[in-house]
Amino acid sequence: GENVEQHPSTLSVQEGDSAVIKCTYSDSASNYFPWYKQELGKGPQLIIDIRSNVGEKKDQRIAVTLNKTAKHFSLHITETQPEDSAVYFCAPMDSNYQLIWGAGTKLIIKP
Amino acid sequence: DGGITQSPKYLFRKEGQNVTLSCEQNLNHDAMYWYRQDPGQGLRLIYYSQIVNDFQKGDIAEGYSVSREKKESFPLTVTSAQKNPTAFYLCASSNLRGNTIYFGEGSWLTVV
Repeated sequence: GENVEQHPSTLSVQEGDSAVIKCTYSDSASNYFPWYKQELGKGPQLIIDIRSNVGEKKDQRIAVTLNKTAKHFSLHITETQPEDSAVYFCAPMDSNYQLIWGAGTKLIIKP
Repeated sequence: DGGITQSPKYLFRKEGQNVTLSCEQNLNHDAMYWYRQDPGQGLRLIYYSQIVNDFQKGDIAEGYSVSREKKESFPLTVTSAQKNPTAFYLCASSNLRGNTIYFGEGSWLTVV
């Protein structure tokens, strides 16, 4: 089955700096790659996603890049703000249409 | 407002009891899911349903049961056979297999 690894597990950045979180996966048939943000005690919220026919997608301060050859995709957050503090999950979809979740990255924005 | 409603938000279970978590969606989605999340961990799939009166086991179905009698409802029962039920439970839905999955706000279950 799909094996997903997410790095780093914790990331601390200064407010205004950029943050990058990387997700590697093993199923070459995966073709849908979402990133979710989870605030404490709440359900995950989709923040950006990308399909395998696209290499990069951007939505304001958030972007996702995909390298299908190397089987990894990354979340990029620019000009970080305090409200970006949360846990971020990658969850590539496997060939059975199931999301396979990474262990999460806790992002801390330092004022 | 369209969305997914889970209830109750907090639930306490005594040893040997069955409890049922409610999940209702008004998004007209065909597929619904239940996930379990332990502290500091990712999500693990318990059960999913793609259509009314049909559901499939996920990775950790033992000790849980579900029903899907209506399109908008997908309740989860945590049975006494689940030996370590204390966790955060998340219900989700999507309009088609392979499409974006949306989550409810979650339910905390604690064994006392």
